[in-house]
Amino acid sequence: DGGITQSPKYLFRKEGQNVTLSCEQNLNHDAMYWYRQDPGQGLRLIYYSQIVNDFQKGDIAEGYSVSREKKESFPLTVTSAQKNPTAFYLCASSNDPSPEKLFFGSGTQLSVL
Amino acid sequence: AQSVAQPEDQVNVAEGNPLTVKCTYSVSGNPYLFWYVQYPNRGLQFLLKYITGDNLVKGSYGFEAEFNKSQTSFHLKKPSALVSDSALYFCAVRGYGNNRLAFGKGNQVVVIP
Repeated sequence: DGGITQSPKYLFRKEGQNVTLSCEQNLNHDAMYWYRQDPGQGLRLIYYSQIVNDFQKGDIAEGYSVSREKKESFPLTVTSAQKNPTAFYLCASSNDPSPEKLFFGSGTQLSVL
Repeated sequence: AQSVAQPEDQVNVAEGNPLTVKCTYSVSGNPYLFWYVQYPNRGLQFLLKYITGDNLVKGSYGFEAEFNKSQTSFHLKKPSALVSDSALYFCAVRGYGNNRLAFGKGNQVVVIP
């Protein structure tokens, strides 16, 4: 999907376990975003990063962590502190900090065992 | 604060009939408005945007949207719906100088053959 690759497509988490969702882009975009999608609630912003080695909390950052060590990569860790992690997670990128439009990956469905 | 309202959960339309998906927004200053479409288990695809200029914006797949400042609306339209238009549609807004998009909850469109 537009040069953004999310993996895995499906992920299962056991109780108390941390899991990491991968997001890689080859669009040379500066800004990257993580959204959570729940049925009937639209997309909610978890974290975003405008440049390498910098990131900001979104609206629902509790229980999540991110890193931005490389321009092309923005992994999201769902920690054991996130008590309701079951959702569809979408990664996006844009070509500047004030995006005219976002490019989205194909998503990761996370479920709890 | 910026927000989007998509008042209908589902829009049903017969194939060949006009399709309208409603969106109203709230933002400080001039709005940047977007429509995205999502097919099952996929990321969001950009359809069209309004930044400035003509109130009627044309986008991908025959879709268009009309910006109405007085009614703070940005309804998505298609003159003749196709079965393949069945998907989830998201409206989004950001204010000038804001690098974060606010998404609506999405509207499921069902085109009946």
